[in-house]
Amino acid sequence: GAVVSQHPSWVICKSGTSVKIECRSLDFQATTMFWYRQFPKQSLMLMATSNEGSKATYEQGVEKDKFLINHASLTLSTLTVTSAHPEDSSFYICSARYRGQETQYFGPGTRLLVL
Amino acid sequence: ILNVEQSPQSLHVQEGDSTNFTCSFPSSNFYALHWYRWETAKSPEALFVMTLNGDEKKKGRISATLNTKEGYSYLYIKGSQPEDSATYLCAFRITGNQFYFGTGTSLTVIP
Repeated sequence: GAVVSQHPSWVICKSGTSVKIECRSLDFQATTMFWYRQFPKQSLMLMATSNEGSKATYEQGVEKDKFLINHASLTLSTLTVTSAHPEDSSFYICSARYRGQETQYFGPGTRLLVL
Repeated sequence: ILNVEQSPQSLHVQEGDSTNFTCSFPSSNFYALHWYRWETAKSPEALFVMTLNGDEKKKGRISATLNTKEGYSYLYIKGSQPEDSATYLCAFRITGNQFYFGTGTSLTVIP
C-alpha cells in the first residue's frame, strides 16, 4: 500500500515553455503533498507543501509564480514550471502523507532538462 | 537552511558484514527524524520515523537509534546482503512541515 506515482519520469523542453508534472497517490488519500528538487550531488530540497483544497506554502527562495502548485483533490497534486529556463533543469520529486501520519511516501521523481 | 550531515558519503562492504552510518542534525526544534532507502530508479522507501530521544526501531536486519539531545541518529545493517545496496537518506523535521534532508550514504554490498 501507500503508492505514489509521478508523471512524466523524463521531460526535455525548450527554454520558455511550461512543463507540468503530476503526482498521484494511488491507494490512499493524501491530505498533504510535498514537492522537492534535487541538484546533482546535493540533498533533496523542499520547495513547497500543499494541503488539499488550500494554497501551497512555499519555502524561502522558491518563486511561487514560477513553480505553480495545485492540490485540487486528495489524490492529485501538480507542479507547473512556467517559462522554464536551463537553470530549472533538475530532478523533481513529490511525496504524500495522509492525515495523522508522519511518514511520507515518495514518487519516483521527474528529471527535467531545459534546452 | 538547517544542516543535516550524513557520514560516510559512500561505503563498500562484503556480503555478510555488518555496517552502520550516521545522521547528524541540529538538536533544537526537533520534531522527527526519518530514514529512507533509495534504490536507483525507484521511489525512496520509508524505513523509520523516530520522534523520541532514545528511540530504537528495528525492521528485519536494519535498526536505528536516536539521540535528540546530541543531535544524531545511527542506522545499522546486520549481515549486509547485495539487495541492501542503495542510498540511505535521513531527514530532519522541525515543527511545522519543514524537512531537511542529508545527501545520503551510498551503500554497495559486494557478493
